[in-house]
Amino acid sequence: EPEVTQTPSHQVTQMGQEVILRCVPISNHLYFYWYRQILGQKVEFLVSFYNNEISEKSEIFDDQFSVERPDGSNFTLKIRSTKLEDSAMYFCATRQANTEAFFGQGTRLTVV
Amino acid sequence: AQTVTQSQPEMSVQEAETVTLSCTYDTSENNYYLFWYKQPPSRQMILVIRQEAYKQQNATENRFSVNFQKAAKSFSLKISDSQLGDTAMYFCAFASGTYKYIFGTGTRLKVLA
Repeated sequence: EPEVTQTPSHQVTQMGQEVILRCVPISNHLYFYWYRQILGQKVEFLVSFYNNEISEKSEIFDDQFSVERPDGSNFTLKIRSTKLEDSAMYFCATRQANTEAFFGQGTRLTVV
Repeated sequence: AQTVTQSQPEMSVQEAETVTLSCTYDTSENNYYLFWYKQPPSRQMILVIRQEAYKQQNATENRFSVNFQKAAKSFSLKISDSQLGDTAMYFCAFASGTYKYIFGTGTRLKVLA
């Protein structure tokens, strides 16, 4: 069964450093999303991406965040200057038109 | 703005028994989708069941079924014959046509041997 793949599974980074989280969508999926889950809290929407541009973003998705599809396959989330409060589980989700989204297994980001 | 409310932070059930998790939502839209996701300790998000709002028939997936009350904006999950492997966090989620998911705060379910 096809699945959304996220790498790395766990990333530890120093505060102030840049991190890039990667997602490989299911091959015929065209809509991409990033969600965040701080430990013990609910899953929150960050951004949606379609046709090489952001469709919608939340208040959380400020200037330190960016997304792109650099090579037409990987979908990445970049956090420019990490803060302690960025520590969370980050989920990528992808979908075809008019279907539910499929979630990756998540990347656990720990900022120290 | 859409909201999803799960009023039961924690629940427990004896193995082989039935448990119902509650979820209510608020929206002004007529066409939307509702989901239940399971999150085990690995924190992966696993789709349990989905319901299209235009369908009156309640969705079922093996031991999992929903009670969808559109007028009441209620979407509860019933787990029959509970198994130890059902122990997890369960999230209710809403999505409109853009498929941006709005999640509830979750219910931690513990199945007791």
